[in-house]
Amino acid sequence: KNQVEQSPQSLIILEGKNCTLQCNYTVSPFSNLRWYKQDTGRGPVSLTIMTFSENTKSNGRYTATLDADTKQSSLHITASQLSDSASYICVVSALSGTYKYIFGTGTRLKVLA
Amino acid sequence: NAGVTQTPKFRVLKTGQSMTLLCAQDMNHEYMYWYRQDPGMGLRLIHYSVGEGTTAKGEVPDGYNVSRLKKQNFLLGLESAAPSQTSVYFCASRTLRGSGYEQYFGPGTRLTVT
Repeated sequence: KNQVEQSPQSLIILEGKNCTLQCNYTVSPFSNLRWYKQDTGRGPVSLTIMTFSENTKSNGRYTATLDADTKQSSLHITASQLSDSASYICVVSALSGTYKYIFGTGTRLKVLA
Repeated sequence: NAGVTQTPKFRVLKTGQSMTLLCAQDMNHEYMYWYRQDPGMGLRLIHYSVGEGTTAKGEVPDGYNVSRLKKQNFLLGLESAAPSQTSVYFCASRTLRGSGYEQYFGPGTRLTVT
């Protein structure tokens, strides 16, 4: 069964600190992995995308890594800001006939001043 | 470009009432999707469309119907609302290929069924 699991469920950090969010998946056949940011009351917005051959991808203070062998990904946030408070969703895509998106349950991050 | 818009933003229904949620996109995307988001669960696919005039069932289609009469619009209908349909509904769209099959999401509709 295709599954995406994220940890932790929630996280509280102080402004300026770094943090790392985890995503483990069992999805086949793997096409790509994307991290989304979802602000409260808004729809998800894409942060990064990685294919099988990519190990790391950065978008400003966000850096995603992918280990296709262990089927794990992480999202590292550097020098957190209050505006980073949001849910972060890991989405793995599979291409088998039709294109499928398997969503994780997300990590809710709160950054405190 | 407005991207993906959803109407209404909020709605409260009584059990048994019906309503239609409207999704519109101005990016000329072929694919459109309806998801629901519930606490502690990932987004779940209700129905999707690969082009004008075509629709298909997703993971949780029961109790919902959809129509895509125009390429830019995707309607989600609830014929007889139930409390279990209380959720936040998101519409998404994407182009046929390219951009890593990125989905673009609307702002969501929060529906409460009492």
